[in-house]
Amino acid sequence: EVQLVESGGGLVQPGGSLRLSCAASGFTFNSYSMNWVRQAPGKGLEWVSYISSSRSTIYYADSVKGRFTISRDNAKNSLYLQMNSLRAEDTAAYYCARAYCSGGSCQWYFDLWGRGTLVTVSS
Amino acid sequence: SDKLTQPPSVSVSPGQTARITCSGDALAKQYAYWYQQRPGQAPVLMIYKDSERPSGIPERFSGSSSGTTVTLTISGVQAEDEADYYCQSADSSASYHVVFGGGTKLTVL
Repeated sequence: EVQLVESGGGLVQPGGSLRLSCAASGFTFNSYSMNWVRQAPGKGLEWVSYISSSRSTIYYADSVKGRFTISRDNAKNSLYLQMNSLRAEDTAAYYCARAYCSGGSCQWYFDLWGRGTLVTVSS
Repeated sequence: SDKLTQPPSVSVSPGQTARITCSGDALAKQYAYWYQQRPGQAPVLMIYKDSERPSGIPERFSGSSSGTTVTLTISGVQAEDEADYYCQSADSSASYHVVFGGGTKLTVL
C-alpha cells in the first residue's frame, strides 16, 4: 500500500527540541521530492519545508528557517524534521507530503499525505 | 503578494452547486491546486493545475481560472462533500515557495 506514516510528535517545553520521522512505503521513495506541512489546531495549512529527491535542494518557510532542519535517508525510505528552539506557535499537526513527480520532474503540489503527528509546545 | 484569499465558509443544500473562490496575485502566473480535508483526516488533492482532476476524484469536482482568481466548483453537492477546502499555489523562485489559502468550510445544509 502506498502510504506515509509520521511519528515522533509529543509534548515539549518552549526552547526544546523534537525530531519527527516519516516512513514511506509502496512507492520508489528516492524518486520523489518531499515536504513537511503543518496545521495549528483549528487553523489552516502552512508549508514548512522541502527537500529534493537527491537532497541537493532544500527550502524552508521563513517562520522556521534557522530552527528546523529537513533531511532524508533514501536507504531507509524515511524523511525527517529536526525541530529546535521550539515555540508555542509551532504547536501543530505536522504532515509529511509527497510532491507530484513524473518523468524525473517534480511539481510543487502534493499528491500523497500522511495522517500527521501532533506537536505541542507548552510549559 | 504571496497571499491567497478564500471565503471562510460556503453553504449549499444537497444537489446544488457550490463554488469556492481563491484570489491572489500569484495565481496570475502560477497554477492553483485544491485539497479537501475532512475532520481529523489528512488533506486530499482534488484539482491540480487549475482544472485537472486526479484519478479517483468524482467528476462533480471541477476547477477554473480567470486572472488572479481560481474557482473550485462542486456540482450536485453530496453530504460527504462537507469538509474544509484549501487552495494552494507555488513559486519556487519566490521566497515563500508554497502558499495555501486560509481554507473554506463547506457546509451541506
